[in-house]
Formats: sequence, structure tokens, C-alpha cells
Amino acid sequence: AQSVTQLDSHVSVSEGTPVLLRCNYSSSYSPSLFWYVQHPNKGLQLLLKYTSAATLVKGINGFEAEFKKSETSFHLTKPSAHMSDAAEYFCVVRRASKIIFGSGTRLSIRP
Amino acid sequence: DGGITQSPKYLFRKEGQNVTLSCEQNLNHDAMYWYRQDPGQGLRLIYYSQIVNDFQKGDIAEGYSVSREKKESFPLTVTSAQKNPTAFYLCASSKTGDTGELFFGEGSRLTVL
Repeated sequence: AQSVTQLDSHVSVSEGTPVLLRCNYSSSYSPSLFWYVQHPNKGLQLLLKYTSAATLVKGINGFEAEFKKSETSFHLTKPSAHMSDAAEYFCVVRRASKIIFGSGTRLSIRP
Repeated sequence: DGGITQSPKYLFRKEGQNVTLSCEQNLNHDAMYWYRQDPGQGLRLIYYSQIVNDFQKGDIAEGYSVSREKKESFPLTVTSAQKNPTAFYLCASSKTGDTGELFFGEGSRLTVL
């Protein structure tokens, strides 16, 4: 069975400081993993994806994530937060037609 | 440009009325999905379709219906049997296979008056 857990429902950081959004997953097989971002009243936009190639994945807008099989984690990071990063972030695990969404992490940025 | 188009963006409905949300994609994707999102919550799967003329219920299919007569189109009908239809509805599509990411539309917000 597959599952995904986003460990923080809300993260608040100051502008210019690093961002860390945590995601743990469980899967019987090697899954595909994704991070999406959602701004208010908008659809979800793909930030990055892991599909069993390089374990460090670079995405758009300066985000990156590292796949750690031993820790079953896929945490999202960014070196320096920008005000425009304020949004909801979703970690997603996929195996064939089974797609599981995390419950989301709301990222707030303090000026 | 390729993408997914949802319409209408906002929709108001009186209790007891059926409404249909449109979802069209020009990405040539086989699979299409409908999700419901409530405030502060994640996404819940309503229906999905992996091929024309075939679809499967998701986790919260009661009170909803879909059709898949064309590859490009996957309309969702919210029926009067759905007791709490006010929500944000998201349509998505993907290639088949276990590595394909989902591509999302901009969403439709339904409010029951």
C-alpha cells in the first residue's frame, strides 16, 4: 500500500531564509514522487518530479528535492525564500494508476 | 499552447439543480481525473478515466457522474444527490504509465445558494 505524509501543515519563514517542506512516503515498490504548488484559487503546478533517475532533483523557481530511499523521504528545499513562494505545497506519490496526495503544507513568508 | 481548460471558473447553483463542469485537454493524454478540494484540505478523487468510454469511481463518487465520449473531454456532473457540493473542483490529465505527472486545469469553484 502507498501513503504519503507531509509532516507540517504550516511552515513560516522569513524572506531570504531557507525553506524546508518535509514529505515521507511509503510504497511497496519504487514510486514516482512529485511536488506541486498551488496558489489561491488556482490549479496545481508541477515543481519537480523524481522517477528513479538522479536522487537530487532540481525544479522550477529554485526549488529542489532529494530522494532518500533509506529514510523514505522526499523533502522540498529552497535556499532563499521569496514572497512569491507563499502558497500551498503538495507532495504526491504515484505507482501506475494509484496516485496519492499529501494533505498539503501552507508556506507563509514573513517580510 | 497545450493544456487543460476548465469552465466555468465560478458557478452558482440552487439546491436541487444538476450542474455540469467542463474539462477539455489538448495534450493527447489518455488519462483524465476529477478532484474535489475543500478549504484547507487536500485533494480527493471523484472519478478517473484511463481510456475513452471507460471510467472508474474514486474515493468520493457518490452524487457525481462523468462521461468520456471523446479523448479530449471529461465533463463532471454534480447531481442533486450530492449533499454538500460547494467546493473547488480540479480536473487533471496525464499519460498512462507510472511515471507520468498530472497536469491540472485552473479549477472551477461551485457554490450552492
